[in-house]
Amino acid sequence: EVQLVESGGGLVQPGRSLRLSCTTSGFTFSDYPMNWVRQAPGKGLEWIGFIRSTSYGGTVVEAASMKDRFSISRDDSKNITYLQMKSLTTDDTGIYYCSRFSGYDPAAYSLDFWGRGTLVTVSS
Amino acid sequence: SYVLTQLPSLSVAPGQTASITCDGDNIERKSVHWYQQKTGQAPLLVVYDDSDRPSTIPARFSGSNSGDTATLTITGVEVGDEADYFCQVWDSGRDYHVVFGGGTKLTVL
Repeated sequence: EVQLVESGGGLVQPGRSLRLSCTTSGFTFSDYPMNWVRQAPGKGLEWIGFIRSTSYGGTVVEAASMKDRFSISRDDSKNITYLQMKSLTTDDTGIYYCSRFSGYDPAAYSLDFWGRGTLVTVSS
Repeated sequence: SYVLTQLPSLSVAPGQTASITCDGDNIERKSVHWYQQKTGQAPLLVVYDDSDRPSTIPARFSGSNSGDTATLTITGVEVGDEADYFCQVWDSGRDYHVVFGGGTKLTVL
């Protein structure tokens, strides 16, 4: 059974940093691109970025509005993908989801499995 | 950047058909995916590549894509289908690559 479990969320002060983790199981993690999406309270889904599978270079593509403060990485030995966030503002408050692309090419595949998300609250 | 437009809300009675639309410039040239998100839950893929369904999704869910509009159709709507529905495409533009529509809240009266 494919499982994705996010962790690392919580209450953080503005200007601080936070690293989220997405621990996976039930599939060959190294074969899949992994994706991060967030959702502000009562709002829609906002794409953050994705990281390609290692066999396709493990390169990262991020939304232009995110790349200055957010970075994505992966550790195939642990089946984990990370989202490092810095200089957080109250606008970064929301639920952060990791998800899996269903195939090697994000342009051609959907997000077929999602974690339950982890809540990040940025407040003083 | 590429924009997907969805109506904010739609109400249907149980047993009726819900047609949830997603408008985008020449969207028919893109693969459209649809996600269902019930309150307090993670999104769930219900239709991919315009019209295919994951094996766990009931046949009541179907999709189509033509011209500037993609449509998610739910026939014989059930109370349990009440949720937000988001469309999604991949765009090779400069700013965003994964693009989501704003979502449609389906209310089953």
